[in-house]
Amino acid sequence: GAVVSQHPSWVICKSGTSVKIECRSLDFQATTMFWYRQFPKQSLMLMATSNEGSKATYEQGVEKDKFLINHASLTLSTLTVTSAHPEDSSFYICSADPAGEVYNEQFFGPGTRLTVL
Amino acid sequence: KQEVTQIPAALSVPEGENLVLNCSFTDSAIYNLQWFRQDPGKGLTSLLLIQSSQREQTSGRLNASLDKSSGRSTLYIAASQPGDSATYLCGPKAAGNKLTFGGGTRVLVKP
Repeated sequence: GAVVSQHPSWVICKSGTSVKIECRSLDFQATTMFWYRQFPKQSLMLMATSNEGSKATYEQGVEKDKFLINHASLTLSTLTVTSAHPEDSSFYICSADPAGEVYNEQFFGPGTRLTVL
Repeated sequence: KQEVTQIPAALSVPEGENLVLNCSFTDSAIYNLQWFRQDPGKGLTSLLLIQSSQREQTSGRLNASLDKSSGRSTLYIAASQPGDSATYLCGPKAAGNKLTFGGGTRVLVKP
């Protein structure tokens, strides 16, 4: 199946700093990528939909100025957590839909563990 | 807004037993539904994709059924093994290609 990678796999940062997480589709093009957050022992919550070449669409309750999303190419989307605080510590997972294939499966990255001290 | 419920929340069985995991969703206007497996601290591994027009999909020991009109899907795992221990998530795909997840079912298969 298609592969989605994330970098870094884990990151520890100090409160107040910004952290960038990359999501790449390695062997297919993705016009749409999705960013999820997962707190311990909870399910995945969709944060935003990342569209190549246009602004991201954020779910209700997600601060767009805090979680900056850039989908600069058909294989790369980035999530920047700005001025991170301990409550932003979570497991961030991205997924991607192969371009133009709404009926196909969605592929998920391995996740990035963010710890804010 | 799509809401997904998975029952049971946790399941513990001896090795060799069959597993039945249930998923219900409120909005039946879906394109498809995926079942995933998640190991602790890891991402999601896709197990099965069942299209909205399908009633059933099989892969090895796994079988998923879908009753779109009633908003239900069931994942059956035959002859469970300790390696099947994980959290299982269902994700119906609806408008905007968005997947919505339930709380998952934590499965423990005891040797």
